Amino acid sequence: ETGVTQSPTHLIKTRGQQVTLRCSSQSGHNTVSWYQQALGQGPQFIFQYYREEENGRGNFPPRFSGLQFPNYSSELNVNALELDDSALYLCASSSDRDSGNTIYFGEGSWLTVV
Amino acid sequence: GQNIDQPTEMTATEGAIVQINCTYQTSGFNGLFWYQQHAGEAPTFLSYNVLDGLEEKGRFSSFLSRSKGYSYLLLKELQMKDSASYLCAVNRDDKIIFGKGTRLHILP
Repeated sequence: ETGVTQSPTHLIKTRGQQVTLRCSSQSGHNTVSWYQQALGQGPQFIFQYYREEENGRGNFPPRFSGLQFPNYSSELNVNALELDDSALYLCASSSDRDSGNTIYFGEGSWLTVV
Repeated sequence: GQNIDQPTEMTATEGAIVQINCTYQTSGFNGLFWYQQHAGEAPTFLSYNVLDGLEEKGRFSSFLSRSKGYSYLLLKELQMKDSASYLCAVNRDDKIIFGKGTRLHILP
């Protein structure tokens, strides 16, 4: 148990729909990063939120957006879903006060787009 | 994965030793992680190297050479449960960037 919880764990959406994924970070952690992991691939960095502001973004289109709330929990929103968005979405939380090895992953949200 | 290279697949025998190599671009480098990921599960932390050298943790060891942009994960006394993907990941400007992972198959 890492203390990072994600919801929902599994969901199925139709192409063109929108989805919101949620992440509650480890207590005391102020940074949340989101990753997309397609089958057979390594996780790809989507973006990071630090103290409610976006703090770096990977090579993902604007239809991938996010939020971080005052309690440091976070949401990932994906609009206009495409079939290739089917993947495991991972949330990782960390703190700027800790060394790099205190980064904790949630169990992920499995998204299937049909 | 942003020039983080590791072999796609490896096969080893139960009880043996296997070394999984990883090379990376050194710009913005803060440290290097190794994660284990079983099929259908999230990655779990194995090691984090910041300084050059070998760090041993039970059956698993991780080595880093910052000047060469090179790391390896060494797994000893392989067990069937070690069948998994092993992800090399670089802490670059406080973002973790992953390689594509190495699928390790253990034969009895």
